[in-house]
Amino acid sequence: AQSVAQPEDQVNVAEGNPLTVKCTYSVSGNPYLFWYVQYPNRGLQFLLKYITGDNLVKGSYGFEAEFNKSQTSFHLKKPSALVSDSALYFCAVRGSTSGTYKYIFGTGTRLKVLA
Amino acid sequence: NAGVMQNPRHLVRRRGQEARLRCSPMKGHSHVYWYRQLPEEGLKFMVYLQKENIIDESGMPKERFSAEFPKEGPSILRIQQVVRGDSAAYFCASSPGQFQETQYFGPGTRLLVL
Repeated sequence: AQSVAQPEDQVNVAEGNPLTVKCTYSVSGNPYLFWYVQYPNRGLQFLLKYITGDNLVKGSYGFEAEFNKSQTSFHLKKPSALVSDSALYFCAVRGSTSGTYKYIFGTGTRLKVLA
Repeated sequence: NAGVMQNPRHLVRRRGQEARLRCSPMKGHSHVYWYRQLPEEGLKFMVYLQKENIIDESGMPKERFSAEFPKEGPSILRIQQVVRGDSAAYFCASSPGQFQETQYFGPGTRLLVL
C-alpha cells in the first residue's frame, strides 16, 4: 500500500535561515513525488515534482527537494527562508505503474518563519 | 489561462439538505479528481473522472455521495442528506492526462453543515 509520512506537525525557522520539511514515502515500484503548499483558506499550489532523472529537483519560489531512493525520502528545502513562506506544506506520492493516478497525501507540516 | 475553478467557495447547509459542488477543470484538461480535506488533515482521494466516465470512485462513501463529469459543463460532486460529518473542504484537481501528469488544484469548496 502507498503511504506518505510527514513526521513533523510544525517546523519553526528564523527568517534567513535554511529550512527543511521532511517527507518519507512507501510505494510499489518507482514513485512520483510532489510538494504542494496551502495558504489559509486557499487551494493547494504546486511547488515541484520528481518523476525521474536528477535527484535534486528545483521548483517554485526558490524551493528544492532531494529524492533519496535508499532512504525513501523526498525532503523539501530552501536555502534562506522568508516570512511569506509560512504556510502548510503537503507531500504527495503516486505510483508509476499503469492504473495508479490518485495522490496519497501526507498530513501536512505547518511551517512558521519567524522575523 | 484560468486555473481550476470551483464554486461555490463556501456552502452552508442544514442536516438533511443536498450539497452540489462544481468544478471546471483547466482548459485542455479532461481528467478530474475530487479530494476531501477534514480539518487539520491531509487530502483524501474520493473519485477520478474523465468526460462521461467514472474511472475510480473507491474513495467515495457508498451512500449519499455521487459524482459526474458530463460531456458539456463542469464536474459535479453531489452530497445528498448531508450530515455534520460531511463538513470539510472539497478540492477538485485536473490534469491533461494520466501518466506523469501533475494535478492542479482548485481553491476548494468549504462545506459547513449545521
